[in-house]
Amino acid sequence: SQTIHQWPATLVQPVGSPLSLECTVEGTSNPNLYWYRQAAGRGLQLLFYSVGIGQISSEVPQNLSASRPQDRQFILSSKKLLLSDSGFYLCAWSVLQGLGNTIYFGEGSWLTVV
Amino acid sequence: AQSVAQPEDQVNVAEGNPLTVKCTYSVSGNPYLFWYVQYPNRGLQFLLKYITGDNLVKGSYGFEAEFNKSQTSFHLKKPSALVSDSALYFCAVRDTFRDDKIIFGKGTRLHILP
Repeated sequence: SQTIHQWPATLVQPVGSPLSLECTVEGTSNPNLYWYRQAAGRGLQLLFYSVGIGQISSEVPQNLSASRPQDRQFILSSKKLLLSDSGFYLCAWSVLQGLGNTIYFGEGSWLTVV
Repeated sequence: AQSVAQPEDQVNVAEGNPLTVKCTYSVSGNPYLFWYVQYPNRGLQFLLKYITGDNLVKGSYGFEAEFNKSQTSFHLKKPSALVSDSALYFCAVRDTFRDDKIIFGKGTRLHILP
């Protein structure tokens, strides 16, 4: 069965420091991969998605970037964190099998920028 | 523009009573609809989806949802609520122009009162 791992689970970083959140998916090949941010325990904002190695699409301009160095690995990064980057970050995956694809989420990473 | 709306920020239901969490959508073409649940500090969990066929879809934890094309709705229901059903619920629709993208509602917080 497929599983998704996301780490670290919690992170406290000072303003101006770098960031790296990692996500890996097991049990499937060539998944679509996603990074979402959830602020204040409510709505989801799609940050990045990837349909293949090295193929990254950004949904909103911001202080973050994403990379996909391997088929099932997705990394969210920042060179210099801002206070506004604090939030709950969720990695997700789906398999392209038509319009009925289901997105499955990891357990999330809490980022607090201080 | 394609969108999904959850008109209630919060729904309160007494334990044992039936519950409904509302969702309406606006898409071009056939809708592909999803419900997810999020418990505190956790990732989103897939509950159920409608692709085609029977308008009543059954999912995990005793939940079901009714697709109503004329009212463009996909309400989540459960015949008898449990305190453990208290969580944040998200309705979502797949972007019919981009099958790798899913659009989420802002979420409805469900409180089941003992």
